[in-house]
Amino acid sequence: EPEVTQTPSHQVTQMGQEVILRCVPISNHLYFYWYRQILGQKVEFLVSFYNNEISEKSEIFDDQFSVERPDGSNFTLKIRSTKLEDSAMYFCASSEGGIPLEQYFGPGTRLTVT
Amino acid sequence: AQSVTQLDSQVPVFEEAPVELRCNYSSSVSVYLFWYVQYPNQGLQLLLKYLSGSTLVKGINGFEAEFNKSQTSFHLRKPSVHISDTAEYFCAVSERGGNNRKLIWGLGTSLAVNP
Repeated sequence: EPEVTQTPSHQVTQMGQEVILRCVPISNHLYFYWYRQILGQKVEFLVSFYNNEISEKSEIFDDQFSVERPDGSNFTLKIRSTKLEDSAMYFCASSEGGIPLEQYFGPGTRLTVT
Repeated sequence: AQSVTQLDSQVPVFEEAPVELRCNYSSSVSVYLFWYVQYPNQGLQLLLKYLSGSTLVKGINGFEAEFNKSQTSFHLRKPSVHISDTAEYFCAVSERGGNNRKLIWGLGTSLAVNP
């Protein structure tokens, strides 16, 4: 069964460093998403991506963040100049499109900023 | 804007007992409703969804949920739980129609099934 994969599973970085979180969505899916979950808090939407551009982004997704689909398979989230409060689990998801837009999630990357 | 409230952060239950995990939502527009499950060290997996039609929806692993529009609820139920149902359960909504596809999430309910 096709699945969304994410690498790395755990990333530790120092404050101020840049990190790139990688995701490989399901191959025939057209919509891609990033969510994050800070420990003890709700899962929060960050950004959705369709047709090689951002289709929607949340208030959290400021200039510190960017997304890219550098090739036909990967979908990346870059966080520039990480802050302590960026420590969270980051989930990538993809959906085929249309309704009901069921989103398939990866296992997540735990980002720890020290 | 939408919001989702899961009233119980933790639900302990004995094996083979019934369980109900509660979810209420608030929205000024019509929504789709979802329940996701997260097993330890795994990603989020869709349990079931309500799009339209019958208000009682059945999902995987014997779970079902009922949409109640008047009470803006979408409670998840299972008549007899197993140890393997121990996991985190998340209720989520997305706006019906339009181009907004993001999921708005509840805080999650940790279901602990004890022998």
